[in-house]
Amino acid sequence: DQQVKQNSPSLSVQEGRISILNCDYTNSMFDYFLWYKKYPAEGPTFLISISSIKDKNEDGRFTVFLNKSAKHLSLHIVPSQPGDSAVYFCAASARNYGQNFVFGPGTRLSVLP
Amino acid sequence: DAGVTQSPTHLIKTRGQHVTLRCSPISGHKSVSWYQQVLGQGPQFIFQYYEKEERGRGNFPDRFSARQFPNYSSELNVNALLLGDSALYLCASTPHSGGAEAFFGQGTRLTVV
Repeated sequence: DQQVKQNSPSLSVQEGRISILNCDYTNSMFDYFLWYKKYPAEGPTFLISISSIKDKNEDGRFTVFLNKSAKHLSLHIVPSQPGDSAVYFCAASARNYGQNFVFGPGTRLSVLP
Repeated sequence: DAGVTQSPTHLIKTRGQHVTLRCSPISGHKSVSWYQQVLGQGPQFIFQYYEKEERGRGNFPDRFSARQFPNYSSELNVNALLLGDSALYLCASTPHSGGAEAFFGQGTRLTVV
């Protein structure tokens, strides 16, 4: 029973265009959401997070949108760069549950030059 | 500043053997969590330790155990290894027990043959 879903295993985008990665969750107790990026042979690197009291958080080229009613969040990368090519994981947690992050299966983003 | 460091980076074990994985958190971080990442899936939560006490446990058998030392470093132990334990084991640290992004190490790649 996947509580965090990333239904697109892969995504290809042209350099300079927008990349949109999607994530859906089922557990209404989740109130904190994060995106991580992972390169081969490295651990996941934190990108951006959002609390359930917000619907948008922006950090440079990265913006995360949260739609609580739809239990859906998305990560927008604008403009996309070849160095953004990696696997992106969506993760969720309930603050009262400590650091138990539930991760989605990941989406492999390829940014083509 | 040193990030989260894990050792060893790779190891190969035989079914039925025991393994110990080690993790040093970022200086000043008191919470350490362990995750297992099987190929093609997102990381799955195993344990969280904060101030040397277990704060959370994922859905893993009792063959998995962990502890945290006074200097906040941590060990993950797995007994009676199975082929299915082959995975990337990730350690993550945060300053406190919850509600913040976690910083991951590069992982230990365990292969059970």
